[in-house]
Amino acid sequence: SYVLTQPPSVSVAPGKTARITCGGNNIGSKSVHWYQQKPGQAPVLVIYYDSDRPSGIPERFSGSNSGNTATLTISRVEAGDEADYYCQVWDSSSDPVVFGGGTKLTVL
Amino acid sequence: QITLKESGPTLVKPTQTLTLTCTFSGFSLSTSGVGVGWIRQPPGKALEWLALIYWNDDKRYSPSLKSRLTITKDTSKNQVVLTMTNMDPVDTATYYCAHSLGDCSSTSCYNVWFDPWGQGTLVTVSS
Repeated sequence: SYVLTQPPSVSVAPGKTARITCGGNNIGSKSVHWYQQKPGQAPVLVIYYDSDRPSGIPERFSGSNSGNTATLTISRVEAGDEADYYCQVWDSSSDPVVFGGGTKLTVL
Repeated sequence: QITLKESGPTLVKPTQTLTLTCTFSGFSLSTSGVGVGWIRQPPGKALEWLALIYWNDDKRYSPSLKSRLTITKDTSKNQVVLTMTNMDPVDTATYYCAHSLGDCSSTSCYNVWFDPWGQGTLVTVSS
């Protein structure tokens, strides 16, 4: 089955840029979606199709995908961005829907 | 505005069958390209996809749980039902349903994503 690998944690100071990676075999050939989950809340879609933002998601959130790594970038990080972030892909060869293990973003 | 809400038992005994209902509004599950998925999250752990049903009644299941899962839809009631048999304490989790979109032909979809999600319902498996 297809595996998505995320770092367990990322820390960043307020106002700086956070980069959360999602690794997978030739993930650049797939579409990657990203979700934000704050404590006690349901996940919220923040990026789809690698880099598209749903309405209502700040422009500070952006995404890229190439080779074996997809990246969620959060610019000018705020305290309210502290959350768990999950990447997700569709893999027609195995589990159709695959989630990464999640990354806890800590704002210092 | 799309909303979804999960309902069902909060406590089930080992070996019992779990039945969860997702009641939604703001979209129709008869619209081409639309689906509803179920995802669960054990306490303190990552998201795990379970099942997906499309407007055309096409169904997909997690291979590791396929033998235990059944997903159905009632378009007239705007509901999707998930059943999971032979429940075990390791199935203790918050269960979410979510509206899905993706790249779809007349018969199937791919590149599916989930937006929005329901609030989730915590199901505990214990005797």
